[in-house]
Amino acid sequence: NAGVTQTPKFQVLKTGQSMTLQCAQDMNHNSMYWYRQDPGMGLRLIYYSASEGTTDKGEVPNGYNVSRLNKREFSLRLESAAPSQTSVYFCASSGQGFNNQPQHFGDGTRLSIL
Amino acid sequence: GENVEQHPSTLSVQEGDSAVIKCTYSDSASNYFPWYKQELGKRPQLIIDIRSNVGEKKDQRIAVTLNKTAKHFSLHITETQPEDSAVYFCAATENTGTASKLTFGTGTRLQVTL
Repeated sequence: NAGVTQTPKFQVLKTGQSMTLQCAQDMNHNSMYWYRQDPGMGLRLIYYSASEGTTDKGEVPNGYNVSRLNKREFSLRLESAAPSQTSVYFCASSGQGFNNQPQHFGDGTRLSIL
Repeated sequence: GENVEQHPSTLSVQEGDSAVIKCTYSDSASNYFPWYKQELGKRPQLIIDIRSNVGEKKDQRIAVTLNKTAKHFSLHITETQPEDSAVYFCAATENTGTASKLTFGTGTRLQVTL
């Protein structure tokens, strides 16, 4: 049981390049999330998907797009990377319901933009 | 939106002593408060959580208290050990009925010295 799997683990891009970060979970969770983590700022929500077929903006969505491909997979795309997007990106998933369910995180993608 | 403040930003204790980390939140509708531990270069991992209908929860050496009136909650670690050294994040969320959007504090770096 792998939990939440993110690929790649590390990536270096040049300004203006595009890339997609992949996330997959095998816990049959309905909800999935993308966060970025910067020094001294904790984790900030970029986008989330409450269930398959739906996506919503979080706190810091500018410069990103997402796709909920199916129940297992939720990808994050940078169309034109900027140095300000250098960060560690975490994907998470949780069960759904009116009773809050814990979020489980992947190992993260460390992204550097030159 | 929700705003979570966390104090202190760094905390150094001697092995065997207790550690307390405090958080405040702004949205009175928030009803779920998880705590995550993150070791260097690793994913955040849930260590304990509390829901708004409970005032205190304990799991071995870790306890969390919640004061809904004052809108603050705290993490207590007793008999600290070197392996407790990590960054700890508090979070608060309002359940929208579809997904739980976590707002994180900025983290507390706990160092347990011998």
